[in-house]
Amino acid sequence: SQQGEEDPQALSIQEGENATMNCSYKTSINNLQWYRQNSGRGLVHLILIRSNEREKHSGRLRVTLDTSKKSSSLLITASRAADTASYFCATDDNQAGTALIFGKGTTLSVSS
Amino acid sequence: DAGVIQSPRHEVTEMGQEVTLRCKPISGHNSLFWYRQTMMRGLELLIYFNNNVPIDDSGMPEDRFSAKMPNASFSTLKIQPSEPRDSAVYFCASSLLSGAAPLHFGNGTRLTVT
Repeated sequence: SQQGEEDPQALSIQEGENATMNCSYKTSINNLQWYRQNSGRGLVHLILIRSNEREKHSGRLRVTLDTSKKSSSLLITASRAADTASYFCATDDNQAGTALIFGKGTTLSVSS
Repeated sequence: DAGVIQSPRHEVTEMGQEVTLRCKPISGHNSLFWYRQTMMRGLELLIYFNNNVPIDDSGMPEDRFSAKMPNASFSTLKIQPSEPRDSAVYFCASSLLSGAAPLHFGNGTRLTVT
């Protein structure tokens, strides 16, 4: 069953603009992770935010977490053509163990 | 670090045939996961192992699917008999045994069943 759901499904922007993707989930979590997938490749871990954290930064990435709304956002600043990929949020269900459940992803297209 | 290695990268087979997908996790990782990705259903967890022991196989769609992990460095996912609706990209991922550990994915096996 799906835990995280990303919004929007697709996003097209110009280089240099910021890209914001949102994720909503259903159950209580221990942490939330964001992954990136380039076409034809496996997913790559970007950043993890724990349930007791509200914001986290890594380079051009900024992640927020609102556990009261069961939602998270991923902001990519000053986007580049190389950021073109699909982005997924993943959560663990703290009642069910450590396996991550992924949303269907947001497809980001950055044009130069 | 060679990363998670999956084989084959592509598999085309006819309905009814047996298919075996292989995965070598990152050395030292205690958890191994099999996921299936399709456009319609996204990324679905099929089964995962901790220390070579299957923990949750509730995502395995049918008895036609089976997975094994005979040792810490090798896992297989078998489909017998295969059906066209099994066509998908199958990913293997590994991680340290920790709820906060990131998953490391292989590049997947693209399975086409005709």
